[in-house]
Amino acid sequence: ETGVTQSPTHLIKTRGQQVTLRCSSQSGHNTVSWYQQALGQGPQFIFQYYREEENGRGNFPPRFSGLQFPNYSSELNVNALELDDSALYLCASSPTPGQDRTDTQYFGPGTRLTVL
Amino acid sequence: GENVEQHPSTLSVQEGDSAVIKCTYSDSASNYFPWYKQELGKRPQLIIDIRSNVGEKKDQRIAVTLNKTAKHFSLHITETQPEDSAVYFCAAIYYGQNFVFGPGTRLSVLP
Repeated sequence: ETGVTQSPTHLIKTRGQQVTLRCSSQSGHNTVSWYQQALGQGPQFIFQYYREEENGRGNFPPRFSGLQFPNYSSELNVNALELDDSALYLCASSPTPGQDRTDTQYFGPGTRLTVL
Repeated sequence: GENVEQHPSTLSVQEGDSAVIKCTYSDSASNYFPWYKQELGKRPQLIIDIRSNVGEKKDQRIAVTLNKTAKHFSLHITETQPEDSAVYFCAAIYYGQNFVFGPGTRLSVLP
């Protein structure tokens, strides 16, 4: 198993609410990426954070936002939740640039979000 | 933008046989191609990867081949075992920023 952790494990919200998901990267990793995985589909890239700055973004609306902290942990915030936001949210961390395999991503266990 | 196609969507093989999963990508700038295995209810687990300067890589029963000209890459699993049953995802990544996954292949290894 990787050293990437996520919390909470499961979450149930209603439409219109806001949610914050958390991710702690593996030791020595300063890049965190977030993905949305709908049931039966591959992970969809939301965005990536490197040294506390957004470093790339997929095709997700602005109500999906994030933060990265000085210890490289990260948050994903989703506002105005919609039913289609129900999914497994995965974060992945990557090694610090300058080390080997800086583009390799190691996934956390995910947070299962259900929007009712 | 980048698009990754993956075939087949489901694959059933007898234990001991080989399994092959193929992916194609659209952006010639892609330079890194990982494969992930995801068991039910678990996180995607990196099983093998290949970079654009290499044509083939092997790790025990698993191998990956890359054809940059045709923009496709394949996962080969030999001597399949029941514990190989899972969903496999390919991905194409370039410059460490643009990450696109395929839709997945559900592999079933029948005893």
